[in-house]
Amino acid sequence: NAGVMQNPRHLVRRRGQEARLRCSPMKGHSHVYWYRQLPEEGLKFMVYLQKENIIDESGMPKERFSAEFPKEGPSILRIQQVVRGDSAAYFCASSPNGNTEAFFGQGTRLTVV
Amino acid sequence: EDQVTQSPEALRLQEGESSSLNCSYTVSGLRGLFWYRQDPGKGPEFLFTLYSAGEEKEKERLKATLTKKESFLHITAPKPEDSATYLCAVQASGTYKYIFGTGTRLKVLA
Repeated sequence: NAGVMQNPRHLVRRRGQEARLRCSPMKGHSHVYWYRQLPEEGLKFMVYLQKENIIDESGMPKERFSAEFPKEGPSILRIQQVVRGDSAAYFCASSPNGNTEAFFGQGTRLTVV
Repeated sequence: EDQVTQSPEALRLQEGESSSLNCSYTVSGLRGLFWYRQDPGKGPEFLFTLYSAGEEKEKERLKATLTKKESFLHITAPKPEDSATYLCAVQASGTYKYIFGTGTRLKVLA
């Protein structure tokens, strides 16, 4: 049973470009979370999605950030017009029902130059 | 506001020297408390879930316990391969997001 798959593992973008981060949850999991981690800081919640629905986006910046989890295909975290402060590790996690433990992917490390 | 505080921030142990990590939490009703291990450059790896005060879970050299206000991760006779950052997270009743502490960086010396 494959774990949570994230790609790309590393992404370099110039200021003003768009970044698209992809996450395929574990088989049988329909709940997806996105977190951001800065060096020497904890994991900060961004958004929680179920298939085709955003359930909680209270941690998502109001501008430039969006997330989706379509009926078919991976969940996507999209960052438009990236700035240097967006440089961080972005982790995706999945859960079978939202009430138990979540399993994390290996992350995408975004560097904005 | 729901929050999680972990202590100490960093801990150095000699191989075989047992110790405990602390996770204090404040939530409006606890749905679950979770322990993870994170190695540098990797994603968090799930260790334990605890749901109610008095509950205990064990796995190899690790044992997690839970009270109404805190959880402990006890490490018995640690080995160098136990070196990692240990993260605690809570999920509050009525919500689905996991709130993480900033972790305890554990270094076990041979």
